[in-house]
Amino acid sequence: GAGVSQSPRYKVTKRGQDVALRCDPISGHVSLYWYRQALGQGPEFLTYFNYEAQQDKSGLPNDRFSAERPEGSISTLTIQRTEQRDSAMYRCASSLVGTGGSYEQYFGPGTRLTVT
Amino acid sequence: ILNVEQSPQSLHVQEGDSTNFTCSFPSSNFYALHWYRWETAKSPEALFVMTLNGDEKKKGRISATLNTKEGYSYLYIKGSQPEDSATYLCALGDTAVGSARQLTFGSGTQLTVLP
Repeated sequence: GAGVSQSPRYKVTKRGQDVALRCDPISGHVSLYWYRQALGQGPEFLTYFNYEAQQDKSGLPNDRFSAERPEGSISTLTIQRTEQRDSAMYRCASSLVGTGGSYEQYFGPGTRLTVT
Repeated sequence: ILNVEQSPQSLHVQEGDSTNFTCSFPSSNFYALHWYRWETAKSPEALFVMTLNGDEKKKGRISATLNTKEGYSYLYIKGSQPEDSATYLCALGDTAVGSARQLTFGSGTQLTVLP
């Protein structure tokens, strides 16, 4: 079966523009997570959903960042008025079950965002 | 902010050697400990998820143990092969942080296996 997919794989944008990053989780996976990963570092949690409900957005750095998952499947992470410090790899992951932290997360290939 | 530490930061071993590295974490609100294998330019790949003190998990030549009372997990690789070269990430789920689903990752141990 298909894994987690993300698009675009690479995005270069000018400072001040808005960007939308898309994640398509593994079919049937209830939970979807967004992470940001700096070069040489582990992923940093941003937010997560169970079905369409955003359960935890405490990792979003500021109000320029938002995420939605309106039908409980595909999710979009939106960054408004991008700044150079937003440049990073943005990874999406999904897992099977909605409750408990013990289930494996399956990561997508990431979107490399560069803000010039 | 949780402090999840991995050591060593990097490691070079010869093919055939066995090796191990450590993930240390605060244990007071432990929920789950995940290990991932991450090759550069690829996605992190789940290895193990452990939740109970004393848990031991094994997948082929790779195994992991968990001590939640003292706050550490070891990852072991027996008979290292060049294809084991990767960064090994641990991640903590903690009930005091967000929802326990909010994994806090360490910076990883970068393993290089020399042929």
